[in-house]
Amino acid sequence: AQKVTQAQTEISVVEKEDVTLDCVYETRDTTYYLFWYKQPPSGELVFLIRRNSFDEQNEISGRYSWNFQKSTSSFNFTITASQVVDSAVYFCALSEAWGNEKLTFGTGTRLTIIP
Amino acid sequence: DAGVIQSPRHEVTEMGQEVTLRCKPISGHDYLFWYRQTMMRGLELLIYFNNNVPIDDSGMPEDRFSAKMPNASFSTLKIQPSEPRDSAVYFCASSFRQGNTIYFGEGSWLTVV
Repeated sequence: AQKVTQAQTEISVVEKEDVTLDCVYETRDTTYYLFWYKQPPSGELVFLIRRNSFDEQNEISGRYSWNFQKSTSSFNFTITASQVVDSAVYFCALSEAWGNEKLTFGTGTRLTIIP
Repeated sequence: DAGVIQSPRHEVTEMGQEVTLRCKPISGHDYLFWYRQTMMRGLELLIYFNNNVPIDDSGMPEDRFSAKMPNASFSTLKIQPSEPRDSAVYFCASSFRQGNTIYFGEGSWLTVV
């Protein structure tokens, strides 16, 4: 069975600080996909990134970066120079590659950026 | 391009009433999902379709819930009769082929009083 753990329930940082959101996953599959979604106060779920299990390269997109390590089954998300607009709940999710499309979500991390 | 479109955005209804939530997936997507978000259970998959055919409905809570996808551009999630514990945000999502990104609608916020 798949499982995604986001141990950090809530994090608060002062604006411009860097912050890392942790995600640890469990799966028996050798091929799978990992995702991060953002849920701002308005409630919609916004896609941030998708990573397949064969691609362990870290990715950077502006102030966002992701560190994927299969050895520790982790897919952590770092926001550099945080801004108030980054305040949201962030979800990590996992899906199997074949035969089962559904996303298994973590419980989310509520990030508050203090001005 | 239009994203996943859901209606209504907000619904308040009385216990026992029928509720119908609607979804239009992104054009060309062949997978459609219905998720529910509550404080207690987080985000959970209710059902998903591939090419309009239900593939996995193991997450549907009980017989009061039903979902249909009569064509590639429309799906409904129906609750009859509704109960206060059904109050939640219901998300529709769609994707193209296996393993690709799943895009979510803005959600339908349901309150059953």
